[in-house]
Amino acid sequence: GENVEQHPSTLSVQEGDSAVIKCTYSDSASNYFPWYKQELGKGPQLIIDIRSNVGEKKDQRIAVTLNKTAKHFSLHITETQPEDSAVYFCAASKYSSASKIIFGSGTRLSIRP
Amino acid sequence: DVKVTQSSRYLVKRTGEKVFLECVQDMDHENMFWYRQDPGLGLRLIYFSYDVKMKEKGDIPEGYSVSREKKERFSLILESASTNQTSMYLCASSSTGNGYTFGSGTRLTVV
Repeated sequence: GENVEQHPSTLSVQEGDSAVIKCTYSDSASNYFPWYKQELGKGPQLIIDIRSNVGEKKDQRIAVTLNKTAKHFSLHITETQPEDSAVYFCAASKYSSASKIIFGSGTRLSIRP
Repeated sequence: DVKVTQSSRYLVKRTGEKVFLECVQDMDHENMFWYRQDPGLGLRLIYFSYDVKMKEKGDIPEGYSVSREKKERFSLILESASTNQTSMYLCASSSTGNGYTFGSGTRLTVV
C-alpha cells in the first residue's frame, strides 16, 4: 500500500531561523499533499496543501515544494516564532482532498528563544 | 465555528470490555474517518465512511468496527478491548473540495 516517510522526527531551531521538514511518498499516483499542524491537546489542523500540477505554493511564512519525479515534498517555515512549536504531519492522497489520505510519522518542531 | 466533537477526552477501560468512541460533526460532511495516533507511527487509518450506513476498512481495522447510522455521527467500536489498543483516537470529517477537520481526540487507556 501507499507509504509516506517523514524526516526528521524532531527538529529544534533558533527563533527567527528557518525550519525544513521533508517527506517522500511511494505511490506515483498520489496527487494531493497536505500538511497538518498539531498543537498540544488539539487535533491536527490543515495549514497548507499542494496538488501535483503545482511545484511550489506559499502562504506568508510557510511554503511547500513538490518534486514529482523524485516523489519528494517539503515544508519550509521562515522566520520561525514560538507559536510554530508543534507536531507537523505531511500526508499524501491519490484521490482528493476529502478522501482517504496517508500520513507521515510526524515531526516535533521546537523553537528555541 | 464548525466542529468535530469527540464524546470523551480521556477514557480508561478494562481488558475485554466493549468500548464505544463517539464522533459528531455539525458541517454536513459526507466523509468521516477514524485514525489512531501513536508516537513514531503518525496517524494510521482504522475505518472510514463516505456515506450513511457505508464503511470501508482502513490500514489497521483488526479489532475494531464502526457504525454510521446518521450522517453526522460516526462511532468506533472496540469489540473486546486489549492493552495494545491503548492510544489516542482521532476522528475527522471532510467534504468535496475541503481537507479534513479533526476532533480534539480521545486518549484511551486499556488496563
